[in-house]
Amino acid sequence: DAKTTQPTSMDCAEGRAANLPCNHSTISGNEYVYWYRQIHSQGPQYIIHGLKNNETNEMASLIITEDRKSSTLILPHATLRDTAVYYCIVRALSGNTGKLIFGQGTTLQVKP
Amino acid sequence: NAGVMQNPRHLVRRRGQEARLRCSPMKGHSHVYWYRQLPEEGLKFMVYLQKENIIDESGMPKERFSAEFPKEGPSILRIQQVVRGDSAAYFCASSPPLRTGVSGNTIYFGEGSWLTVV
Repeated sequence: DAKTTQPTSMDCAEGRAANLPCNHSTISGNEYVYWYRQIHSQGPQYIIHGLKNNETNEMASLIITEDRKSSTLILPHATLRDTAVYYCIVRALSGNTGKLIFGQGTTLQVKP
Repeated sequence: NAGVMQNPRHLVRRRGQEARLRCSPMKGHSHVYWYRQLPEEGLKFMVYLQKENIIDESGMPKERFSAEFPKEGPSILRIQQVVRGDSAAYFCASSPPLRTGVSGNTIYFGEGSWLTVV
């Protein structure tokens, strides 16, 4: 699986949009971009994923660049409950494994 | 965390005892993954199983750890002769069978089992 690079930490004001970047310059054509988050002492929570088109769901939006070498997760109106570690992961859906490999992620602190 | 059930949520074992952690995947999911998270560290992949078959165990310690996912019943992560360094949160996740090119295949996690070795 391709590696990803994320900033170690970010702050965001409550009510504002949180934009979390991720670089995945070695991503392969068959690899999807997945985002998960882990709130302290809880299991990882799936947020969103995409292949090459931008995606939106009730939690967030995912913007993937045209060359697919980077992406941005957008939480449109961050709340204090969005404080968590956010993981950007590239994942192949072929071969014998579809496992997720977690990096260090970005610690997002939403401040009042 | 949509329906992956793990138990026990908290388990205390003395050094040398055995720990068994159970995971029931979401309905319709035939693939199970186990991850370990040591205190203040990241999530580390351990093993990936489907019913009655280990697909990828590249993250499993070579000794004392084993995992199974029988035809009937939950997946079991078994740790024999536990040591203090095994104290961690163990997360189970599940997914439907992988299908190349399909947008689904999302992996969902349980709330974890916290093992404390005293």
